[in-house]
Formats: sequence, C-alpha cells, structure tokens
Amino acid sequence: GEDVEQSLFLSVREGDSSVINCTYTDSSSTYLYWYKQEPGAGLQLLTYIFSNMDMKQDQRLTVLLNKKDKHLSLRIADTQTGDSAIYFCAESSLRGGYNKLIFGAGTRLAVHP
Amino acid sequence: KAGVTQTPRYLIKTRGQQVTLSCSPISGHRSVSWYQQTPGQGLQFLFEYFSETQRNKGNFPGRFSGRQFSNSRSEMNVSTLELGDSALYLCASRTGVETQYFGPGTRLLVL
Repeated sequence: GEDVEQSLFLSVREGDSSVINCTYTDSSSTYLYWYKQEPGAGLQLLTYIFSNMDMKQDQRLTVLLNKKDKHLSLRIADTQTGDSAIYFCAESSLRGGYNKLIFGAGTRLAVHP
Repeated sequence: KAGVTQTPRYLIKTRGQQVTLSCSPISGHRSVSWYQQTPGQGLQFLFEYFSETQRNKGNFPGRFSGRQFSNSRSEMNVSTLELGDSALYLCASRTGVETQYFGPGTRLLVL
C-alpha cells in the first residue's frame, strides 16, 4: 500500500541543526520529496532525491535516504527563525504513474531563540 | 519565469452551490495536478491532466471534476458543495517526471 509517516512536531533552538524524519511503505517509490509550507501559502519544493541515491546536499539542506528501511530524513543546518514552517515528505512511484504524490501529515518545525 | 497561479485565492460558498477554480501552470508545463488539503485528511491527490486528458484520478466522488485547455490551463469544478469540501485546493504543474511545482492555492469555505 501507499503510506507516508512523519512525526508531527519538532522544536529546535536557532543555530542548531534540525532533523525531520519520514518513513514510507511503497517499495516502488522512485522519487522522494521535501516540501515546505508557510502559513497561508502553498507548497514550496525544497529538494528531492531519486531512489538510487543515498544522499543529496543543497546548501543548508541534506537529504538522507535509507532505501532498505524506507526511511528519509531532511537535515537543516544552522536553523533560522525563517525556517519555522510545516515540512512535508512525499513520494511518487511507478505504480502511481509518477504524477501522483503521496504526502505525509507534515512536521511542524518551531525555531526558538 | 512566472510560477503557478491560481484564481481566485479565496472563496465563500454555501452548501449545494457549485464552484470553479482555475490554475495556470508554469509556461511550458503540460501537466497539471490538483490536490485538496484539509486539517483532517491532509494533502490528497484529486486528479492530473496532461495534454487535455485526465491521466490519473484520486478517490474523490464524481462531484469533483476537472478539465484542461489547449494552453494547459486547468479548471476544477465541485458541484453540490458540502461543508466537508472546505479546504485549500492546490494546483501543481510539472514538465518532467521528477518535480512538481505548486501554486499558492485557493481557500474554499463552504457555509
């Protein structure tokens, strides 16, 4: 089946690293994504990783993929107050025709001074 | 390049009415997908259109429909509105397999 799970809340101090975790069940998942949603806004694509990769780094963002455990994580280095938002993990798969994203419930990241 | 645009941004309707939402994809993107976001159900896929054809559909009743025009702009329609249809409706466009870019959404409130 298709299911994506995330913890619902994470609180970090400004300047620390944040790690948001996600697990998925569809073994045919091919692309895995991280989106950011600020209050009253749509979804902003942060980064994505192809399933044959283990890691992807983009400035302050590092994505780690453990395909064996179906576990995805997003690390935000030097977290700032502007990073406070809801972060969604999503997957797309051949089964879904690649065009259908399955989202987790979202992790609310709160950054405090 | 301009991003995905959605109109209107906010709508208030009453039960039983119908509503049409519009989405203009990023220039050159031929695929448009629609998602519904609610506090209870989260983000759920509604349908996807490519070259004016519906390619995939989520588990929503037939009251939810859509279409795509030759210029790739898309509309979705919800007939006989119910209170539970209150949601943020998001449109996304893409050109390749790997990325979908979302618009700001239309917030629909059904009274």
